[in-house]
Amino acid sequence: LAKTTQPISMDSYEGQEVNITCSHNNIATNDYITWYQQFPSQGPRFIIQGYKTKVTNEVASLFIPADRKSSTLSLPRVSLSDTAVYYCLGGGRRSNSGYALNFGKGTSLLVTP
Amino acid sequence: EPEVTQTPSHQVTQMGQEVILRCVPISNHLYFYWYRQILGQKVEFLVSFYNNEISEKSEIFDDQFSVERPDGSNFTLKIRSTKLEDSAMYFCASRLADLTDTQYFGPGTRLTVL
Repeated sequence: LAKTTQPISMDSYEGQEVNITCSHNNIATNDYITWYQQFPSQGPRFIIQGYKTKVTNEVASLFIPADRKSSTLSLPRVSLSDTAVYYCLGGGRRSNSGYALNFGKGTSLLVTP
Repeated sequence: EPEVTQTPSHQVTQMGQEVILRCVPISNHLYFYWYRQILGQKVEFLVSFYNNEISEKSEIFDDQFSVERPDGSNFTLKIRSTKLEDSAMYFCASRLADLTDTQYFGPGTRLTVL
């Protein structure tokens, strides 16, 4: 089970790029790295997932170095609506047919004008 | 875009009463999950369900909890005798049968036990 460590909170101004780094020293060879976003009183929402190098979608970019011991979620030009908690997950707890997700405390991002 | 839906959005109940929380997972997904989040705390795994049986459960998921997929679309979580400490947001999630572990979450049911 990959243990992840990420900052508890971050602040940013609107329009800035935000980079949230997560460390996952004991990530398993087969595990993906996945980031979720959660707004207050809502369910977590999948943002992006990667295995190695860089992945980009319409929401964010994910940078994963060759050793895979860390990853960085990059949010370009954040807006007030990006204020949320961001979770880094390094693979789920696996049974024969299930992948229970192990959420940590996440990074609480506050975007201000 | 397909979504996981949950009903009700808010349930208030008296301690000791039974509650059933309902979820409709994304239609072609095969794995189903319940998580809960006590106010101000992290999201906690309760149970996973596949092929009409529980595949994994956490220590939170004791004999007071049960899950069922009564038909081809609904997935329910029953709490037989609610306690004050069961007050939380309960999230249902579903996953396609692929190599990643991406789960898609519903909006949650806020359970308040008085």
